Amino acid sequence: TQLLEQSPQFLSIQEGENLTVYCNSSSVFSSLQWYRQEPGEGPVLLVTVVTGGEVKKLKRLTFQFGDARKDSSLHITAAQPGDTGLYLCAGPASGTYKYIFGTGTRLKVLA
Amino acid sequence: ETGVTQTPRHLVMGMTNKKSLKCEQHLGHNAMYWYKQSAKKPLELMFVYNFKEQTENNSVPSRFSPECPNSSHLFLHLHTLQPEDSALYLCASSPGTSLAGGLGPRTQYFGPGTRLLVL
Repeated sequence: TQLLEQSPQFLSIQEGENLTVYCNSSSVFSSLQWYRQEPGEGPVLLVTVVTGGEVKKLKRLTFQFGDARKDSSLHITAAQPGDTGLYLCAGPASGTYKYIFGTGTRLKVLA
Repeated sequence: ETGVTQTPRHLVMGMTNKKSLKCEQHLGHNAMYWYKQSAKKPLELMFVYNFKEQTENNSVPSRFSPECPNSSHLFLHLHTLQPEDSALYLCASSPGTSLAGGLGPRTQYFGPGTRLLVL
């Protein structure tokens, strides 16, 4: 069974600090997605990583896909209150139309 | 604007009511999904449709009945729900199969969700 574990589960930091969120699995994924979800809303896609070792940047957010395509990280530089939300990683389950979602990291950035 | 819309955004219903949730995607995708998200729990996949055919039913109780009349529309019919069914119900779509028949790009796009409260 493919699983995605995220750490940390909760994170509360001050504005301006840097942070890294991790998404780990013992299984290989063909791609991984990162989403941010705000309360009462659906997850909004941030990025898709496909190639092992790939690094993508979205303003202050840097996403990396592990060389073996089993893990991914999200690094936020100089966090802002607008970064507050639930961060989810997800990947397609092999041979099915199912998606595997991580357990989520709930981030709160204090002004 | 995600290209996936859901109505209603909020719904309150009694346990004996029948209601339906609607999802529409404007992205030209072939696969559509229903998820349930309860407080402090991970997203739970409920149903998957690809080209209007149901490909996954994740052991969902029969009081939830999906319908997919075409690749752009997805419904979730609700009947005799329980209070523990109160949750955020999310619809998503993805490109589904590739032209070659295999699994194509797999990124999912979500709608804003329907917040359901069962009294």
